[in-house]
Formats: sequence, C-alpha cells, structure tokens
Amino acid sequence: DTEVTQTPKHLVMGMTNKKSLKCEQHMGHRAMYWYKQKAKKPPELMFVYSYEKLSINESVPSRFSPECPNSSLLNLHLHALQPEDSALYLCASSQEAGQGDTQYFGPGTRLTVL
Amino acid sequence: GQSLEQPSEVTAVEGAIVQINCTYQTSGFYGLSWYQQHDGGAPTFLSYNALDGLEETGRFSSFLSRSDSYGYLLLQELQMKDSASYFCAPHSGGYQKVTFGTGTKLQVIP
Repeated sequence: DTEVTQTPKHLVMGMTNKKSLKCEQHMGHRAMYWYKQKAKKPPELMFVYSYEKLSINESVPSRFSPECPNSSLLNLHLHALQPEDSALYLCASSQEAGQGDTQYFGPGTRLTVL
Repeated sequence: GQSLEQPSEVTAVEGAIVQINCTYQTSGFYGLSWYQQHDGGAPTFLSYNALDGLEETGRFSSFLSRSDSYGYLLLQELQMKDSASYFCAPHSGGYQKVTFGTGTKLQVIP
C-alpha cells in the first residue's frame, strides 16, 4: 500500500470558521509533511514531522496548527484564515526524514476561504 | 540564499526526446529530486540523484553535476501522457527539507 489519503477533498470555509484537514498513511513511514500549493506555483513546504515530533516549521502563521496524533495520522487545524490562504494543501510521507527518501503525496485538499 | 531555475514551458513531439534543465543555488545541498505533476493531481516522485552522473529509470533519466550546481531530467520516447509539470527539487539541510523549483510545463504534441 503506497497510498496517502487526505480528507476532505474540497473545503469551503469562512474567515471565522475552525476546520481541520486530515492525512493518513499506512506505509510505516516516520516522516510526514504539509505543503501548500497555489495555482500554477510549486508546492511550498509548511511543516515536517519526524517520529511524531515537529522538526520544521517554515515560519507558517499561527492560524495553521499542525498535529501528529500518531505515526499514521497528520492533521492541520485551521482557524481565522484569510482569503489568500485558499490553495491546494498537500500531505506527504517518507520512510524517514533523511536525505533522498522518496516523498509520497496525497491527492490534496482544495481549500477555499471566503 | 537559495535560487532555482528551470524553463517555464517546453513543447515536444510524441516519440521524441526532451531534456529539462535545472540550475540551483542551495546551502547544505544533499541531492536533487524530480517530481511530475499532472493538472489537478498530486506530485509523483520520478528520481533522486545524490551523486554526480546519470540515473536511469525506464524512459526517464536524471543527471546531476554537483560542481556545476546543475541537473537535468531526460524523457525519451515521449508519450501524450507525459504532458505535465516537472519540478526539480533540491534537498538541503537536515530533516528532508525539499524545495520545489518553479516547474516546467511540458506539452507533448502529436
């Protein structure tokens, strides 16, 4: 099973809402990632978790709050977002958070903030 | 600082060969990955070069020259399904920090 799943596929939320994105993998990977991708732009790294601990936060605003409840799950909690936060949010995982490990991406959650 | 350059668009004929170049400036460079992304889809890993030279995987090959801070992706026997965006992605520092280039949109025409 080389699949990373993400829910929901689409999400529309207002600026005062609180919502969560979910990501799951059952490949036994110990590193998980959140990326943000705007239209016609490359994915931008947001967070890296290694062995369920946050190891990289790319200066992401606090309205995005990641959580790794266990080695298979990764959440991204959203609160008080802005319209410019509308984007495709991609989750990925890799065997380890070491160099050269293949990252497997989920299909993404397309987020629209009104 | 960090910079990445790849051509924004390339058009090639079905059955032909195309090369997508990537130049980078990255501190703490470890290696270079390539990813493919179809419109509306997720990025898919294609290859990784940690050492200088050519890595071949089927119709796709990837090359790295660390001294020149340069790499390329070579796609042979192009098929229509190869129409997609291709990202070079240097690995730097620790904890698998991968930075995606701006991407090259490849269009394969009959």
